[in-house]
Amino acid sequence: NAGVTQTPKFQVLKTGQSMTLQCAQDMNHEYMSWYRQDPGMGLRLIHYSVGAGITDQGEVPNGYNVSRSTTEDFPLRLLSAAPSQTSVYFCASSYDRGPHTDTQYFGPGTRLTVL
Amino acid sequence: AQKVTQAQTEISVVEKEDVTLDCVYETRDTTYYLFWYKQPPSGELVFLIRRNSFDEQNEISGRYSWNFQKSTSSFNFTITASQVVDSAVYFCALITGANSKLTFGKGITLSVRP
Repeated sequence: NAGVTQTPKFQVLKTGQSMTLQCAQDMNHEYMSWYRQDPGMGLRLIHYSVGAGITDQGEVPNGYNVSRSTTEDFPLRLLSAAPSQTSVYFCASSYDRGPHTDTQYFGPGTRLTVL
Repeated sequence: AQKVTQAQTEISVVEKEDVTLDCVYETRDTTYYLFWYKQPPSGELVFLIRRNSFDEQNEISGRYSWNFQKSTSSFNFTITASQVVDSAVYFCALITGANSKLTFGKGITLSVRP
């Protein structure tokens, strides 16, 4: 198993550009989520999904969209990048319906800079 | 609302010293789970432990031990005989009831000097 994979590892955008951060897992996990990590803030939940076709907002969803068309993939879309979205983004997954019932495992992260 | 407080922001110790990382949580739910994650300088997040609210037994895994006390809403992490490889940021996290949202503390940066 490759586990949780994220692409790209690094990305630089200009303000107003759009892009998609990719996340995939090959463990047949139902639950997937996106977090952002900022200095001194810990990790904050952006969006999550408890299964294909089901998504919900986390703590800081503004400026981000998600969809879950397959069990394996959970892309995060930035519609119009802003400097405030400069951060490290982590994708996570767990077998059951979420960290309430199962441990989440994290991908390696994507470091995004918005100029 | 749920909250995790890691009051220590940075800790520096000399190798072989014992060190305790504090975690205090807040929740009104009686069912919840607590976690510790390690983030080494390479940046990945490594799962260390998961503990549910009904199990107050302390746990030991090699040089790592965890002390869960519901009376003080704390879930502290002790590293015995610290090593340079223990240098990392350590996060405590909480999830409650049927909520699917994991709440993290702000993390503690541990530096172990040779």
